[in-house]
Amino acid sequence: NAGVMQNPRHLVRRRGQEARLRCSPMKGHSHVYWYRQLPEEGLKFMVYLQKENIIDESGMPKERFSAEFPKEGPSILRIQQVVRGDSAAYFCASSGWGSSGANVLTFGAGSRLTVL
Amino acid sequence: SQKIEQNSEALNIQEGKTATLTCNYTNYSPAYLQWYRQDPGRGPVFLLLIRENEKEKRKERLKVTFDTTLKQSLFHITASQPADSATYLCAPVDGNKLVFGAGTILRVKS
Repeated sequence: NAGVMQNPRHLVRRRGQEARLRCSPMKGHSHVYWYRQLPEEGLKFMVYLQKENIIDESGMPKERFSAEFPKEGPSILRIQQVVRGDSAAYFCASSGWGSSGANVLTFGAGSRLTVL
Repeated sequence: SQKIEQNSEALNIQEGKTATLTCNYTNYSPAYLQWYRQDPGRGPVFLLLIRENEKEKRKERLKVTFDTTLKQSLFHITASQPADSATYLCAPVDGNKLVFGAGTILRVKS
């Protein structure tokens, strides 16, 4: 039973290029969350998605960032025209909203983006 | 806006002692709060969940308390081991998402 799979694990982009990060949730999970972690800082919420729907994008920058979770395939976090400040670890987490009514998150290993 | 504070300094303790980590939150009342462990270069791993109507929760050597009056959660590791060295993250729920504290680094020395 594979956990949350993220790829690529490491991504290097030059300023102005696009970065696409992919996340396949745990089997049976239909809720996906993206978080960003800067060095020496905590996890910052970006977006919460269910299949084909964005539920909460209150943490997403208004420009250049977008996320989707299509009916088929992984969730994708897309960053257009990357800048050096986008360099960070991006974590995806999934949950199935258990019978307890609480969303315990299972995290992937993260995708580390470096912008040159 | 919501604010979550965890011990900003690393906690260094001797093997076998009890480690106590603090999480304080302001400006909201979470229905539950979770604790996660994060090792360098890896994603966080869920440890414990405690609800607002629960005072204490235990799992093996771990214990969490939740004081909604003080707006504080304490996380205890008893009989600590070097393998417990990691960053511990407090995460109160805010609506449909978890909001994470910056974490406390715990170092257990043998």
